[in-house]
Parts: sequence; C-alpha cells; structure tokens
Amino acid sequence: GDSVTQMEGPVTLSEEACLTINCTYTATGYPSLFWYVQYPGEGLQLLLKATKADDKGSNKGFEATYRKETTSFHLEKGSVQVSDSAVYFCALSPTDSWGKLQFGAGTQVVVTP
Amino acid sequence: NAGVTQTPKFQVLKTGQSMTLQCAQDMNHEYMSWYRQDPGMGLRLIHYSVGAGITDQGEVPNGYNVSRSTTEDFPLRLLSAAPSQTSVYFCASSFNRDDYEQYFGPGTRLTVT
Repeated sequence: GDSVTQMEGPVTLSEEACLTINCTYTATGYPSLFWYVQYPGEGLQLLLKATKADDKGSNKGFEATYRKETTSFHLEKGSVQVSDSAVYFCALSPTDSWGKLQFGAGTQVVVTP
Repeated sequence: NAGVTQTPKFQVLKTGQSMTLQCAQDMNHEYMSWYRQDPGMGLRLIHYSVGAGITDQGEVPNGYNVSRSTTEDFPLRLLSAAPSQTSVYFCASSFNRDDYEQYFGPGTRLTVT
C-alpha cells in the first residue's frame, strides 16, 4: 500500500541554520504531495504542496520539489527562525483517493536562539 | 468564516463509556474526515465522507461510528471507549479533489482510563 517515510526527530538547530527534512514515499500512479506543519497546541496547516513530477512547492521560505525518479519530497529552508519550531508532516494523496491523506510520522524541529 | 470547529477540546472517559466528538465546517466543503494522532505514528484516517449521506471507512475504523446528515456536520461516535482510543482526534475538510488543501480543526484530546 501507499506509505510515507520521513526522518525521525527531534531536529535541533540554531537560528539562521539550514533545515532539511527528508521525505520519501511509496505509491502507485501519480500522487499529490504535501507538507503540513503543526505548531504547539494547534491543528495542522498546509505549508506547501506539489501535484506533479518536478513541481516545486514553496511558502514562508520553505521549498520542496516533487522528485518522481527518487520518490522524494524533501523539505528545505535556508535560514530558520525560532518561530519555525513545530512538527512537520509529509503526506501524500493517492491518485483518485478523494482527498484521503497518508501521513508520515512527523518530524519535530526545535530552533534555539 | 470559523473554518473547522471541534468540541470538546479535552475529554476524559472511563472504559466502556460512550461519547460523541463534534465537528463542523462553514466552508461548504464536500469532503470531511476524522484522523487520530498518536506519538510516532503521524495521523491515521478513521472515517471519511465525500458528501451528505455518504461515509466510508479509513485505515483504523474499529470502535468508531460516523454519520453525515448535513454538509456542515460530521460527528464521530465512540461506542464503548477503550484505553487504546486515548489519542488526539482531528477533523478535516476540503473540496472534493485530491490536490486541494485540507483544513484541520484544533483537535480533541481524549483520555480513556
């Protein structure tokens, strides 16, 4: 079945450091790919998405590129802030799934001043 | 718009008790779903609905019932609570397309003793 694997956390960084969170997936067809972010005590919010191969999603300085050849969708940010501390979830929506999301386990990111 | 609302925010149940988690959205979304979030496991789909009167099972449906009598509301019923149902529950909604953003509620933290 479809699945998402993302790197385990917590990832601890200093402010202004570079962040990469690896995400790989297994799916048939051409799924849509997403990164969601969960700030402490809140629900999930969509951070960015990509719906076809080679698409790049970007938002708030974060980027991720849909790589079908490596079945990956790694999240990157060049300079993190304390306010980026959160749990990040990689997710996929399989082809013709009517929006059913398959989530990775989540990666906690802690940014220190 | 209030978006997706969930009540209650916190709940403690004894084993064997029943309860209903409420979810409502005011965005006229066709698709609604329930997820549970457990440490190290990401979010897992419990039940979903593609429109009023239509529901289906997700990945972990056992012990839960749903109904969708209106577009706005999608309650989740626990018939006989068990400690294994201790979790954080999120309701989400979206337009009925697999590449559309899902909007999440703030969550209900349930503890079953």
